[in-house]
Amino acid sequence: AQSVTQPDIHITVSEGASLELRCNYSYGATPYLFWYVQSPGQGLQLLLKYFSGDTLVQGIKGFEAEFKRSQSSFNLRKPSVHWSDAAEYFCAVGHTNAGKSTFGDGTTLTVKP
Amino acid sequence: EAQVTQNPRYLITVTGKKLTVTCSQNMNHEYMSWYRQDPGLGLRQIYYSMNVEVTDKGDVPEGYKVSRKEKRNFPLILESPSPNQTSLYFCASSPLEEPFSGANVLTFGAGSRLTVL
Repeated sequence: AQSVTQPDIHITVSEGASLELRCNYSYGATPYLFWYVQSPGQGLQLLLKYFSGDTLVQGIKGFEAEFKRSQSSFNLRKPSVHWSDAAEYFCAVGHTNAGKSTFGDGTTLTVKP
Repeated sequence: EAQVTQNPRYLITVTGKKLTVTCSQNMNHEYMSWYRQDPGLGLRQIYYSMNVEVTDKGDVPEGYKVSRKEKRNFPLILESPSPNQTSLYFCASSPLEEPFSGANVLTFGAGSRLTVL
């Protein structure tokens, strides 16, 4: 069965520090992978997506993610975190050519001044 | 403005009283989906629709119904709500662009917080 694991429930980083949020997936075929961000009281917004090709993908707000098939991972990174990045982050697998989706449980990011 | 609109945003109801959460999108998207968000459980997909009159179950469809009679609307119906359906509900939509998946470039509504007493 398809699954997405985000091992870190909560991460705290200092403003200006680098960030890496982990995501591991289980999917029978080549996955379509996504990262979404949810600011407090808001719906989710797409940060970036991976379908195929270059395994390092760039997204909005300075985020990037790297697909590593051998590790079944799709970790999200940002070189320098801003206070406005404090939010909840969700990794998701989209089922290929189908309407189903599987989201991880989310990682809450706190940014210290 | 391109958006997904959900109503109501907040609702407190009692067990067994039928309710409908409406979802409407103005982007002419073919695909629409409902999710529930619970603490520690992330988003779980309830139902989705690939187009008008085409709906299918997600991972947690029990206790819910949907319909897709028009492209823009995808209401979520709780025929007999129970306390375990207390949750934050999100509707989302996306175009059917290749390559397509159920998590593609979703536009989310602002959420509907439902409490069932």
